[in-house]
Amino acid sequence: EPEVTQTPSHQVTQMGQEVILRCVPISNHLYFYWYRQILGQKVEFLVSFYNNEISEKSEIFDDQFSVERPDGSNFTLKIRSTKLEDSAMYFCASSESSGSQETQYFGPGTRLLVL
Amino acid sequence: TQLLEQSPQFLSIQEGENLTVYCNSSSVFSSLQWYRQEPGEGPVLLVTVVTGGEVKKLKRLTFQFGDARKDSSLHITAAQPGDTGLYLCAGATNKLIFGTGTLLAVQP
Repeated sequence: EPEVTQTPSHQVTQMGQEVILRCVPISNHLYFYWYRQILGQKVEFLVSFYNNEISEKSEIFDDQFSVERPDGSNFTLKIRSTKLEDSAMYFCASSESSGSQETQYFGPGTRLLVL
Repeated sequence: TQLLEQSPQFLSIQEGENLTVYCNSSSVFSSLQWYRQEPGEGPVLLVTVVTGGEVKKLKRLTFQFGDARKDSSLHITAAQPGDTGLYLCAGATNKLIFGTGTLLAVQP
């Protein structure tokens, strides 16, 4: 069964460093998403991406964040200058189309720890 | 801001017991999804409910969407240790707005 994969599974970085989280969405999916889950808190939407453009972004997704689809398979989230409060589990998701009845398939997540 | 509150936050029950988890919002959603998340993994979709008053069953799990499409419930009959996990409701638009989650532990 096709699945969304994410690398690395864990990342530890120093405050102020740049990190790139990588995702390989399901191959025939066209819509891609990043969510994050701070320990003990709810899953929060960060950004959605379609046709090489950001479709929607949340207030959390400020100028330190960027997303890219550098090739036909990868979807990346870059955090330019990490802060302590960026420590969280980051989930990538993908879907065939958009809409309220569409299923988003989630990857296993990348646990980011900023020291 | 659309918020989804789940209750209870934590639930620890014995195997064989029944339970209900609630998901409430002040906003109307065109659909609502329920997910289950296990430690170290991403959320996995259980069901999508679309119509107000809709009831869907998935083996021992029964999902209901409120008539006003602002609330939903998940009822588990005869819970088993394998049901242990974090249950999340999510209002679905072009993005998912997740609820606060209910952590369920089923003791053998």
